[in-house]
Amino acid sequence: ETGVTQTPRHLVMGMTNKKSLKCEQHLGHNAMYWYKQSAKKPLELMFVYSLEERVENNSVPSRFSPECPNSSHLFLHLHTLQPEDSALYLCASSQDSSEGPYQETQYFGPGTRLLVL
Amino acid sequence: ILNVEQSPQSLHVQEGDSTNFTCSFPSSNFYALHWYRWETAKSPEALFVMTLNGDEKKKGRISATLNTKEGYSYLYIKGSQPEDSATYLCARSGTYKYIFGTGTRLKVLA
Repeated sequence: ETGVTQTPRHLVMGMTNKKSLKCEQHLGHNAMYWYKQSAKKPLELMFVYSLEERVENNSVPSRFSPECPNSSHLFLHLHTLQPEDSALYLCASSQDSSEGPYQETQYFGPGTRLLVL
Repeated sequence: ILNVEQSPQSLHVQEGDSTNFTCSFPSSNFYALHWYRWETAKSPEALFVMTLNGDEKKKGRISATLNTKEGYSYLYIKGSQPEDSATYLCARSGTYKYIFGTGTRLKVLA
């Protein structure tokens, strides 16, 4: 157990559905991340939240909408997805120091395996 | 665009063998290099964070070195065991930017 949980672990949705992925960290961290891993590709950073503010959005389509209501919870709202969005979605957290989190270890959840039909 | 390259993509070794993998990254504006171990159906697990040129870290039978001037890091596993079978990821980080490689998939045969 890494202290980061994700639900659901598996999700199948149609292109017209709306669903949400949830991530919760029990580590007292103040930065949270969403990653996408498609088959045979490296982990791609999607969004970064630090102190509940979005600090990075890596050109992610608007059909993915993140929400960070507090430092322990992170959501990824999904709507009108495409089949090519099928992937493993990982959440991670780290402790953001005054120098930034770049030297800090990220702790990952187990991921949500998403299939878009 | 920053690319992080890992080699080999996969390898099989016999139990007891020692092995090593390479992570190559752009050396400019470097902040830190991270190694993760990722077993199937589990969360990626952090192994090392290295920041200084010449850094060496060790955790049991696993160790890593860092050369920031030429932009590479090596991960070594001594006396591989079947439980070492996993994908080993490296990532280069800057402020809020983590760039991952595609990983090296290791299979240790009993």
